[in-house]
Amino acid sequence: RKEVEQDPGPFNVPEGATVAFNCTYSNSASQSFFWYRQDCRKEPKLLMSVYSSGNEDGRFTAQLNRASQYISLLIRDSKLSDSATYLCVVKGGTGRRALTFGSGTRLQVQP
Amino acid sequence: DAGVIQSPRHEVTEMGQEVTLRCKPISGHDYLFWYRQTMMRGLELLIYFNNNVPIDDSGMPEDRFSAKMPNASFSTLKIQPSEPRDSAVYFCASSSTRNTEAFFGQGTRLTVV
Repeated sequence: RKEVEQDPGPFNVPEGATVAFNCTYSNSASQSFFWYRQDCRKEPKLLMSVYSSGNEDGRFTAQLNRASQYISLLIRDSKLSDSATYLCVVKGGTGRRALTFGSGTRLQVQP
Repeated sequence: DAGVIQSPRHEVTEMGQEVTLRCKPISGHDYLFWYRQTMMRGLELLIYFNNNVPIDDSGMPEDRFSAKMPNASFSTLKIQPSEPRDSAVYFCASSSTRNTEAFFGQGTRLTVV
């Protein structure tokens, strides 16, 4: 079983739609959680951190459920520029600094 | 700041040849990571360093792979001998103790024929 699991998609949605991505992680000792965005043939970049209380950044909302080991990302009012692969990322337990990446969910927003 | 700098951007080599990938982390960052990305396996951690010391190399596929960090501003990932299954995009990333965010270089696209 992979440490971080995501639905690979692709998700094809029209502009203005709301889309949700889900992710599960297996290491209950994981301490930090993130969503990264990767455009085609580019490097991954941090989209937002995910906090236990849930957090919002403009049209993006991230949620964490530690009991279920589940992370989500909601994108409202999708734009063409949101088309990318969204990577669920987990930082391991105490002392482990490296980030573990899910395989990513591809989003294609269509006009 | 120029960000994480990797070279070369593209490398095509023949099976059996030695390949060396290079990385310059962001100045002041004390963590450096090497990742490999393929369609089949996604982004996999190969090795990471803290203050130039290798901390976890459990992701290095086999003895053909080696990584060094001789100083705080330079790291190499070497594959010797290279094989077609090593074809992938290799990313270097760095971060600081104060901030978990990892900043990635643009990657080296390696093709072994």
